[in-house]
Amino acid sequence: DTAVSQTPKYLVTQMGNDKSIKCEQNLGHDTMYWYKQDSKKFLKIMFSYNNKELIINETVPNRFSPKSPDKAHLNLHINSLELGDSAVYFCASSPRAGGTDTQYFGPGTRLTVL
Amino acid sequence: AQSVTQLDSQVPVFEEAPVELRCNYSSSVSVYLFWYVQYPNQGLQLLLKYLSGSTLVKGINGFEAEFNKSQTSFHLRKPSVHISDTAEYFCAVSEYNNNDMRFGAGTRLTVKP
Repeated sequence: DTAVSQTPKYLVTQMGNDKSIKCEQNLGHDTMYWYKQDSKKFLKIMFSYNNKELIINETVPNRFSPKSPDKAHLNLHINSLELGDSAVYFCASSPRAGGTDTQYFGPGTRLTVL
Repeated sequence: AQSVTQLDSQVPVFEEAPVELRCNYSSSVSVYLFWYVQYPNQGLQLLLKYLSGSTLVKGINGFEAEFNKSQTSFHLRKPSVHISDTAEYFCAVSEYNNNDMRFGAGTRLTVKP
């Protein structure tokens, strides 16, 4: 069983489109995250939810909107896609918030904006 | 806020040689330190972490790291590397009661035959 899954694995789209990436974890964790990894492999946190509540909201354009329908799911919707949004997006989860727990990462979604 | 510096962007080594990947952090409070590995086209997986206690931490795949508070470092070591250790390695730091984990820029370890 996949612990943290993301769909789709690859996403190729045109500038200006709106797209969503879905994430699900079956680990029973309370906390979920979205990270962006750029072409130089730099990994930056975007959002974190704990029990469906937003607890980290880094400085990202408001075109990015996370949504957590329940604590096992954290989806990322992106409006008006731009070339600079091209990256690999990783979802992760951890048992709790607070900084000590291991984060478990999904396989990533490679977004290419043309 | 905490930050992490990985001093080497790329480290090429020969198979069975020892390796050290360097990591320094900056924080004004107590920290927790992590090393993650990313194999090609995969997500990150935990190698090891330091929360408290013994400063020498052993992880999976024969890796270990030592927390040095005075030098604010958490270098990763392996006495003998394999071809399969070729991957990107990330050092990360979080602070007490703070969910915000900061990652370094990564070190690309390439093991050559």
